[in-house]
Amino acid sequence: NAGVTQTPKFRVLKTGQSMTLLCAQDMNHEYMYWYRQDPGMGLRLIHYSVGEGTTAKGEVPDGYNVSRLKKQNFLLGLESAAPSQTSVYFCASSYGTSGSYTGELFFGEGSRLTVL
Amino acid sequence: AQSVTQLGSHVSVSEGALVLLRCNYSSSVPPYLFWYVQYPNQGLQLLLKYTTGATLVKGINGFEAEFKKSETSFHLTKPSAHMSDAAEYFCAVSDGDYKLSFGAGTTVTVRA
Repeated sequence: NAGVTQTPKFRVLKTGQSMTLLCAQDMNHEYMYWYRQDPGMGLRLIHYSVGEGTTAKGEVPDGYNVSRLKKQNFLLGLESAAPSQTSVYFCASSYGTSGSYTGELFFGEGSRLTVL
Repeated sequence: AQSVTQLGSHVSVSEGALVLLRCNYSSSVPPYLFWYVQYPNQGLQLLLKYTTGATLVKGINGFEAEFKKSETSFHLTKPSAHMSDAAEYFCAVSDGDYKLSFGAGTTVTVRA
């Protein structure tokens, strides 16, 4: 039972390079999220999606783009990486539709990104 | 908009002692409240949640939390700490808009 899978788990980039983080979930969840985790700041929401083909900005969206072309996948892109984007990135998903939302998130194991 | 404040970034307890982690929230509507735990190099996993109904919520691994609306609090407790409880704990709140806001986290260390 895979749950939420993130790739890659580790990546080192140089300033200005681009990359894409892939999140895949096999639970048929409608909602998917990308968070970043930094020491002393908890998790901050970057972007999220409430269904295939939809995306929305979270708390810290600048410098990131996302796409949800398939229900099971949620991609996070960095077009021009900056040292401030050094962080651990977590993908999460949740089930439920309007009226049945309970808020429980299922997390991947994280992707550690270092930008030099 | 909702927000979460966790009091104390680090808590150290002796094995067998009470674990108490404090969480206060702000929300403009009746909130959904959560506690998540993160073990080293892993993702977060749900400990317990409050949505509606009974204000004392029991979770996994012997943890429980009480929703106190008058105090806007959702403190997490465990009567007797175990070495395996060493982890980082996050309180989170949602007002039903499909997004969770997390606190800064509290790292728990358990002394033998």
